[in-house]
Amino acid sequence: QSALTQPASVSGSPGQSITISCTGTSSDVCAYKYVSWYQQHPGKAPKLMIYDVSERPSGISNRFSGSKSGNTASLTISGLQAEDEADYHCTSYTNRGTYMFGGGTKLTVL
Amino acid sequence: DVQLVESGGGLVQPGGSLRLSCAASGFTFSGYWTHWVRQAPGKGLVWVSVIKTDGRSATYADSVKGRFTVSRDDATNTLYLQMNCLRADDSAVYYCIKDFGGPEDSWGQGTLVIVSS
Repeated sequence: QSALTQPASVSGSPGQSITISCTGTSSDVCAYKYVSWYQQHPGKAPKLMIYDVSERPSGISNRFSGSKSGNTASLTISGLQAEDEADYHCTSYTNRGTYMFGGGTKLTVL
Repeated sequence: DVQLVESGGGLVQPGGSLRLSCAASGFTFSGYWTHWVRQAPGKGLVWVSVIKTDGRSATYADSVKGRFTVSRDDATNTLYLQMNCLRADDSAVYYCIKDFGGPEDSWGQGTLVIVSS
């Protein structure tokens, strides 16, 4: 089982928008709505930002949005803020009844 | 408040065993599937296992299948992960999670496992 594919790093300036992609296969991302995104600051546990492709948990800013097209899911952060600088991880349910993560993307706010 | 507190991590030799525990509070533990996810130092997240509310149905990542066993005790609100035949690449922080990838997703602070001679 290979991990979902994410870019190793992305960057943007405060106020800008960025998008992080997460590419899987017809056995995971494409087939299910169970795609989630986590934010992780250094030394901290991951925090759920998006679930079920595009749903935001209670308390998560609407600057965070998710979408999916075919084998690729995307996380968009608009109005970048310094506190958004973190690692972002995507995950998807698979047709084997397991879950798979991407390799993680480091977001740098310039 | 929801709390998940992992314990049981430590240093173990290759081939050894370790049992992790996750004490849950602040919610109806018996009503949720609970997962284990691990993260090696400086690396990405890796899903390990899930146990359903019936306490009998469990699924594992290929990398741990046959070596790890997940269980739960709803009477004491505790999740367990029995890890046998440990290898160096099992070294990681292990997190327990309630409602993984769902609207009530919540993680513990993690417990560190180091497999080394």
